[in-house]
Amino acid sequence: QQQVKQSPQSLIVQKGGISIINCAYENTAFDYFPWYQQFPGKGPALLIAIRPDVSEKKEGRFTISFNKSAKQFSLHIMDSQPGDSATYFCAAGDQGGSEKLVFGKGTKLTVNP
Amino acid sequence: NAGVTQTPKFRILKIGQSMTLQCTQDMNHNYMYWYRQDPGMGLKLIYYSVGAGITDKGEVPNGYNVSRSTTEDFPLRLELAAPSQTSVYFCASRAGTAKETQYFGPGTRLLVL
Repeated sequence: QQQVKQSPQSLIVQKGGISIINCAYENTAFDYFPWYQQFPGKGPALLIAIRPDVSEKKEGRFTISFNKSAKQFSLHIMDSQPGDSATYFCAAGDQGGSEKLVFGKGTKLTVNP
Repeated sequence: NAGVTQTPKFRILKIGQSMTLQCTQDMNHNYMYWYRQDPGMGLKLIYYSVGAGITDKGEVPNGYNVSRSTTEDFPLRLELAAPSQTSVYFCASRAGTAKETQYFGPGTRLLVL
């Protein structure tokens, strides 16, 4: 019940295309859902996060869609650029509970020029 | 403002050796974390601290110890290195508000042979 399932494992997109990464969770106590971006040799960095009181959050080319009833959330990268090539991790946590942030296994995104 | 710094960047240990991974943050954050990242896997929480003098176990604490004598420093100790501890270790910190906003260091790559 503590798992966050992330798909696909890898994704190749052409420049200008839309990248979509999906995550699913089971624990209904989760109430915040961040996405982290990690470049090779670097630590993860927070990209965007959403709380379950909204169904969508947009920051520039990055959008999180959240479906509370399905317990799913996804990251959409519009107009994907080669500089977006990185590994993306979804995560889920409980603001009122433990400090543990449960991470998905990651999606390696490659954007071809 | 250096953020979260980690040393060393890379280390090779022999089985049974001990070492300390250093982590320092200059953002005056109360919360600090240690994660390990294995290939193709998400991050797993090892230990965390909510303030100086207070530490607690995460998901995978066996084989590790931590201490938090100051707000800035959160070292991770491996007492008897085992091949299963070969991984990339990330330290992170956050302020007292949103749990999703963790700031990660660049990581320490550890190889146990």
